[in-house]
Amino acid sequence: GAGVSQTPSNKVTEKGKYVELRCDPISGHTALYWYRQSLGQGPEFLIYFQGTGAADDSGLPNDRFFAVRPEGSVSTLKIQRTERGDSAVYLCASSLTGRLAGGEQFFGPGTRLTVL
Amino acid sequence: GIQVEQSPPDLILQEGANSTLRCNFSDSVNNLQWFHQNPWGQLINLFYIPSGTKQNGRLSATTVATERYSLLYISSSQTTDSGVYFCAVEGANYGGATNKLIFGTGTLLAVQP
Repeated sequence: GAGVSQTPSNKVTEKGKYVELRCDPISGHTALYWYRQSLGQGPEFLIYFQGTGAADDSGLPNDRFFAVRPEGSVSTLKIQRTERGDSAVYLCASSLTGRLAGGEQFFGPGTRLTVL
Repeated sequence: GIQVEQSPPDLILQEGANSTLRCNFSDSVNNLQWFHQNPWGQLINLFYIPSGTKQNGRLSATTVATERYSLLYISSSQTTDSGVYFCAVEGANYGGATNKLIFGTGTLLAVQP
């Protein structure tokens, strides 16, 4: 596609529920990133994929968060047992390559997650 | 970890005015990007500028990597320039890539007609 796309654009869920957020990167980009942005702050890194593998998941806050990219293209961020503190905008980005120098990252429109 | 500081935190301009936004970072970087986050939350790429100077229309940017800062210049500002401007850096890791962007806290710009 022309840019990074994310679905859904908004997700409202109840505390304790499971959610999945989807990211479709720019075609041909091998590197994919997830970030989280809380109100009034800059985005914070969660996880980076090079191809199908998670090369760096050091930003995931705890084991309730998990992400996959089984075919090296679309990625899904999964959050179990959601908590109110998980409410934020989840941003996905992709770059042509993650090797050596990371490459220019391009961001999707984000998914606004609200946990009631 | 690497620290990224942006100044000023807030800026109000009259349409047509010029401005300079600054980004300081605490360690060597592989990459540096400037973004504009519009009122709908979309991060728009302005510059990919680990070093040197680039210009794109009314905007230009300069990064002096050896002194660990970058500047974003906005000339003849327009109301559509309003929003938050973020600087983000990818820290260097013994010559390789760390791949994670570390964002500053942003500069909130309001351009008044």
